[in-house]
Amino acid sequence: NAGVTQTPKFQVLKTGQSMTLQCAQDMNHNSMYWYRQDPGMGLRLIYYSASEGTTDKGEVPNGYNVSRLNKREFSLRLESAAPSQTSVYFCASSEDEGQPSYEQYFGPGTRLTVT
Amino acid sequence: AQRVTQPEKLLSVFKGAPVELKCNYSYSGSPELFWYVQYSRQRLQLLLRHISRESIKGFTADLNKGETSFHLKKPFAQEEDSAMYYCALSLGNEKLTFGTGTRLTIIP
Repeated sequence: NAGVTQTPKFQVLKTGQSMTLQCAQDMNHNSMYWYRQDPGMGLRLIYYSASEGTTDKGEVPNGYNVSRLNKREFSLRLESAAPSQTSVYFCASSEDEGQPSYEQYFGPGTRLTVT
Repeated sequence: AQRVTQPEKLLSVFKGAPVELKCNYSYSGSPELFWYVQYSRQRLQLLLRHISRESIKGFTADLNKGETSFHLKKPFAQEEDSAMYYCALSLGNEKLTFGTGTRLTIIP
């Protein structure tokens, strides 16, 4: 049981390049999330998906797109990377929709640098 | 919009001394509050949630609605408590709002 997995672990992009961060979970969770973590800013929600086939914007969605490919996988795409997107990206998943006090389970993170 | 404030970016405490990590929130309703922890080279993980009223690894946190606070406390700090701690708030849906985090260092 791997929990939440993310690929790649590290990535360096040039300004304007595109890439997709992959996330998968094997806990049969309905909800999945993408966060970015920046020094002094904490974790900020980019997008989330409450169930397969649905996605919603979080606090900082600009410059990103997401795809909930199936119940297991939730990918984050940067179409045209900018230096402001240099960050550590975390994927997370949580238990059934509608339940209170969800515990979110986090992946190991992807460290992205945009030059 | 709801907001979570952790006023201390860094906190250093001697081993065996009491620890208190502060968390204040702004929301007029009844939120659900959590503490998440990230140890060195480990994933972010749930430490405790107010609704469970439990003690985990010696830590407790009481929700004070009058002061809109959810401070994390431990009476005697241990070296393995050194980590990054995040307070988080949920309005009863899937989304969490995190504070900016406090890096706790326990001095041997």
